Amino acid sequence: DTAVSQTPKYLVTQMGNDKSIKCEQNLGHDTMYWYKQDSKKFLKIMFSYNNKELIINETVPNRFSPKSPDKAHLNLHINSLELGDSAVYFCASSRGENRGAYEQYFGPGTRLTVT
Amino acid sequence: QKEVEQDPGPLSVPEGAIVSLNCTYSNSAFQYFMWYRQYSRKGPELLMYTYSSGNKEDGRFTAQVDKSSKYISLFIRDSQPSDSATYLCACHNFNKFYFGSGTKLNVKP
Repeated sequence: DTAVSQTPKYLVTQMGNDKSIKCEQNLGHDTMYWYKQDSKKFLKIMFSYNNKELIINETVPNRFSPKSPDKAHLNLHINSLELGDSAVYFCASSRGENRGAYEQYFGPGTRLTVT
Repeated sequence: QKEVEQDPGPLSVPEGAIVSLNCTYSNSAFQYFMWYRQYSRKGPELLMYTYSSGNKEDGRFTAQVDKSSKYISLFIRDSQPSDSATYLCACHNFNKFYFGSGTKLNVKP
């Protein structure tokens, strides 16, 4: 059984397009995250949701909009894609916002290439 | 200066060697320290976490935190080719997460 799943796995699109990435976790966790990993493997948190509420919103362009329809899902919508958005995007989940947050489970990643 | 610094490597060792992976961090408020393993084209996988200073052992892996020097380490004993991956350290306090850039490890058979 996949704990944290993401779709699609690969996404190739042109500049200016709008795209979405979906994430689902079946672990019963309360908190979900989106991370961006650049070509140098540097992993940076973008957003965090706890029970469908946004709790972390790092300095991310407002072209990126997360949406959590329920606590098992956290989707990421990106408007007006730019070349610099090319990266691997990881979804993750954890039991809680604070005490359980350190035990995160990551999805397989979505490799986004903007041409 | 990044909050968490990690030598990117690559680090190449023969099978059976003891591997030492290290990170330094700048924020003394960090309370939890994690190590993740990431295989090529996969998501990071949590190996171990430690709260505050001290050691924690799990099989061939030992995590060590020295808060006085803001230094965290991961030791791998009897390294295996299957340990070849990128190892990411991470620090956490309340809602803040900071990852190192990862050290690529290659264990040669």
